[in-house]
Amino acid sequence: NAGVTQTPKFQVLKTGQSMTLQCAQDMNHEYMSWYRQDPGMGLRLIHYSVGAGITDQGEVPNGYNVSRSTTEDFPLRLLSAAPSQTSVYFCASSYSIQGGSPLHFGNGTRLTVT
Amino acid sequence: TQLLEQSPQFLSIQEGENLTVYCNSSSVFSSLQWYRQEPGEGPVLLVTVVTGGEVKKLKRLTFQFGDARKDSSLHITAAQPGDTGLYLCAGRHSGNQFYFGTGTSLTVIP
Repeated sequence: NAGVTQTPKFQVLKTGQSMTLQCAQDMNHEYMSWYRQDPGMGLRLIHYSVGAGITDQGEVPNGYNVSRSTTEDFPLRLLSAAPSQTSVYFCASSYSIQGGSPLHFGNGTRLTVT
Repeated sequence: TQLLEQSPQFLSIQEGENLTVYCNSSSVFSSLQWYRQEPGEGPVLLVTVVTGGEVKKLKRLTFQFGDARKDSSLHITAAQPGDTGLYLCAGRHSGNQFYFGTGTSLTVIP
């Protein structure tokens, strides 16, 4: 049982390049989300999805796109990378957003934009 | 502006000491969770509290949810080096968003 799988683990981009961070879960979770983690700021929500075909913005959505064509996959796209997007990105899934169900996290993607 | 503020941001203590980490907000949360994160890994859930005034114990860890459901605390008794890590509180405020606190980095020195 793999849980939440993120790829790649590390990535270096030049300013202006685009890329997609992959996230897949095998737990049949309806809720999936993307966070970025920066020192001293905890985790900030970028985008989330409550099911296939449904996505919504979180706290810091600018510069990122998402789609949810299947229950399993929730890719995060950086349209035109900027140095301010240097961060560690985490994908998380949950059985339900209701009732305090836990978030299950991947091991993160460390992104550097030069 | 962070919805959830944690204090202290950094904590370095000797093995065997007690400590308390605080998670505060001006907003009401329907539930609040505590996670622990180790380097190179994603956060892992420790506990969920859903009722104002609720106290939960997990071995040497005691979690409390404030009566007004705006704050929470994590108390560790007799800290051990294995408790070292980043502790994060997270709350469901409204809708489908989970907000995370700013984090407390704990180091327990043997």
